[in-house]
Amino acid sequence: AQKITQTQPGMFVQEKEAVTLDCTYDTSDQSYGLFWYKQPSSGEMIFLIYQGSYDEQNATEGRYSLNFQKARKSANLVISASQLGDSAMYFCAMRGNGGGNKLTFGTGTQLKVEL
Amino acid sequence: KAGVTQTPRYLIKTRGQQVTLSCSPISGHRSVSWYQQTPGQGLQFLFEYFSETQRNKGNFPGRFSGRQFSNSRSEMNVSTLELGDSALYLCASSSGLAGPTDTQYFGPGTRLTVL
Repeated sequence: AQKITQTQPGMFVQEKEAVTLDCTYDTSDQSYGLFWYKQPSSGEMIFLIYQGSYDEQNATEGRYSLNFQKARKSANLVISASQLGDSAMYFCAMRGNGGGNKLTFGTGTQLKVEL
Repeated sequence: KAGVTQTPRYLIKTRGQQVTLSCSPISGHRSVSWYQQTPGQGLQFLFEYFSETQRNKGNFPGRFSGRQFSNSRSEMNVSTLELGDSALYLCASSSGLAGPTDTQYFGPGTRLTVL
């Protein structure tokens, strides 16, 4: 079984600053994937970035990077140069090696970007 | 490439009725997963279909069922609706072949309200 913990229910950041959203995970699988999704108030889940458990480099996608520390079982999302449009709910999720295509989600972090 | 589409976007039903939600995956994707999102329980996995077969199932009562057609489109059915079934139902598609690295792309969701 997989478990995702997001300990920050809400975060504030000033526009143009960087922000880190925390995510820790627990699994007994050797091979797994970690994902971050953004959910604006409209409800759609938008895929941001992915990290495989065997990837040695941290994943990056534009302004998003994933700070993956395998020994600490953490997969924090870093958003650089925050924009007002980044205000949304952010979910960390993982998929293990077995059990089909099931994602386990954390409880999410509500990010608010301020002027 | 067109994204994942879900219909209808909004539904209002009364207790005891049944409802069918539809999901069309990204072209070429063979896996469709369904998730329920509520304020109290967060995001929970319902089931996954791959090549018309249910490959994985979450911990939901038998009132929740689904199917997948040969064109990978999927439907989800909830019978004998209860107030607690009010939720955002999200559908996600993926190739279904990449193991833990398989990225799921979500549709806009169907918001179901049970009165």
